[in-house]
Amino acid sequence: TQLLEQSPQFLSIQEGENLTVYCNSSSVFSSLQWYRQEPGEGPVLLVTVVTGGEVKKLKRLTFQFGDARKDSSLHITAAQPGDTGLYLCAGARTNAGKSTFGDGTTLTVKP
Amino acid sequence: NAGVTQTPKFQVLKTGQSMTLQCAQDMNHEYMSWYRQDPGMGLRLIHYSVGAGITDQGEVPNGYNVSRSTTEDFPLRLLSAAPSQTSVYFCASSYSIRRDRGRNEQFFGPGTRLTVL
Repeated sequence: TQLLEQSPQFLSIQEGENLTVYCNSSSVFSSLQWYRQEPGEGPVLLVTVVTGGEVKKLKRLTFQFGDARKDSSLHITAAQPGDTGLYLCAGARTNAGKSTFGDGTTLTVKP
Repeated sequence: NAGVTQTPKFQVLKTGQSMTLQCAQDMNHEYMSWYRQDPGMGLRLIHYSVGAGITDQGEVPNGYNVSRSTTEDFPLRLLSAAPSQTSVYFCASSYSIRRDRGRNEQFFGPGTRLTVL
């Protein structure tokens, strides 16, 4: 059972465009993480959101946690080729000791 | 700190062979996990551990064994390799939910790329 669904699966855009990636679930999470993975490497943590409705900004990246803590979005403003990579969301539940990952969104930003 | 280290980086096995993928962390993290990543898919949890001597199964545990005798090490054993186990394997560690306030922010190793012929 896939608990976290990411959309779109693939996204190819031109440099300077804006984009939004979605992470949706029917389950409530105590926190949700966004990771970025580059080819040949392990995922690297970008941000954690824990409070319903929370918005966090990391330079041109804006992360939002849904009010009910079941979904999240990642918005990139003025995308650059360096933003290219696989973006993964992961949900954690208190005391579970493990996280559930979405299938990821592969982003390609063309110069 | 070296963070999370994994060895080997690449491995080719024949069907039926066994091997152990090594994972170590030097951050004194309580939690450790093993994932596999296949093309077009995210990370699927194989096994995880919430502390030394404690392990549990994830989504796809069949064909794999783990043990956690120390806080630092969490090896993954393939008992009898099959072509379906061809994948990239990632080890990750994190602070406990209690210490990390429910976040489970994971640090990943560089991965082991395994091919089973």
